[in-house]
Amino acid sequence: QSVLTQPPSVSGAPGQRVVISCTGSSSNIGSGYDVHWYQQLPGTAPKLLMFGSSNRPSGVPDRFSGSKSGTSASLAITGLQAEDEADYYCQSYDSSLTGYVFGTGTKVAVL
Amino acid sequence: QVQLQESGPGLVKPSGTLSLTCSVSGYSISRGYYWAWIRQPPGKGLEWIGMILQNGNTFYNAPLKSRFTISMDTSKNQFSLNVNSVTATDTAVYYCARVGDGPQWGAFDMWGQGTTVTVSS
Repeated sequence: QSVLTQPPSVSGAPGQRVVISCTGSSSNIGSGYDVHWYQQLPGTAPKLLMFGSSNRPSGVPDRFSGSKSGTSASLAITGLQAEDEADYYCQSYDSSLTGYVFGTGTKVAVL
Repeated sequence: QVQLQESGPGLVKPSGTLSLTCSVSGYSISRGYYWAWIRQPPGKGLEWIGMILQNGNTFYNAPLKSRFTISMDTSKNQFSLNVNSVTATDTAVYYCARVGDGPQWGAFDMWGQGTTVTVSS
């Protein structure tokens, strides 16, 4: 039951900027719960890409940035590279469901 | 360096029980953190199943709670997932993960590689 909605796909040419949105509600993002982002390369486990909406774990390039406003969050990739082709998921906590929830996922394609 | 590794049967018969284990190395699970299970059906998104704390407290995704049980064996530094009365909809890649602390609170900061489970007769 994905309560966080993401666009199914986004694409861009190498070097371009793409933005992935994550739309929630008042019981999750809108309540101030942190939003985290994961990158899942084909055939591999997800990897934490961004925590606390806008913080990058060690080793994540600064081409990745995150933000949050109201009931939504977004992940931006600037200077898109071929290696960025992957599925991206947002994640937060939902107080109505009393549990963690993931976004529907977005496939990023590099043209 | 903390590492997580899932293990379990790749194939389970419908109505049977699925048992998976996550072995943790590089950190004693009795010291802290929440330890979680997450699954991903073929071609679909991620679903949080539940998690366990070092004191044994458990939290579950409400719709799954009736059939799913998470337990912990600190002597083996492992935690486990049992799923009763499985159906084809339980076919998925199952991941174990650590729930981050501090600034990464609520984020799944460490993941196992995942184990594929197919429910079929």
